[in-house]
Amino acid sequence: GENVEQHPSTLSVQEGDSAVIKCTYSDSASNYFPWYKQELGKGPQLIIDIRSNVGEKKDQRIAVTLNKTAKHFSLHITETQPEDSAVYFCAASGVAGTASKLTFGTGTRLQVTL
Amino acid sequence: DVKVTQSSRYLVKRTGEKVFLECVQDMDHENMFWYRQDPGLGLRLIYFSYDVKMKEKGDIPEGYSVSREKKERFSLILESASTNQTSMYLCASSLFPRGQPQHFGDGTRLSIL
Repeated sequence: GENVEQHPSTLSVQEGDSAVIKCTYSDSASNYFPWYKQELGKGPQLIIDIRSNVGEKKDQRIAVTLNKTAKHFSLHITETQPEDSAVYFCAASGVAGTASKLTFGTGTRLQVTL
Repeated sequence: DVKVTQSSRYLVKRTGEKVFLECVQDMDHENMFWYRQDPGLGLRLIYFSYDVKMKEKGDIPEGYSVSREKKERFSLILESASTNQTSMYLCASSLFPRGQPQHFGDGTRLSIL
């Protein structure tokens, strides 16, 4: 089955700096890669996603890049703010036949310091 | 907005009890999922369902079962709770086709004593 690795597990940046989180996946058939943000006491919330026919996608301060050949994708957050502090998860959509099954990375705890 | 509601935020049960976790979604999604979340392990899929009365095992189904009698409701059942099932449980739903985002509830933190 699909295996997703995520790095780093913790990341501390100063406000205004950029943050990058990287993920690799194993199943070359995966074609959908969402990123989730989880704040304390809440469930994961989708922040951006990318499909395998696209190499990059941006939404304001957030961007995701995908390298299908190398089987890795990354989340980029520019001009970080304290409210960006959270745990971020990457995921890849594996082949499950009957449903859109996601395999998640182990998460990155991002702390944005003043 | 999609709303996924989990019936309890916190639950404390005893070893050996039968435990029911309930999840309801209001967007007519075909797929529903149950995950458990543990520190350093991310989200691991327990069971999922792509239609009423249909279910498939995820990566860690042992000790759990599920029920989906209505499209909007998906229940996770711990047949005989054990301490190693103490965890955060997350429910999610999505539309049927592959490559659709999953929408999560806020979780149930379950403690088994």
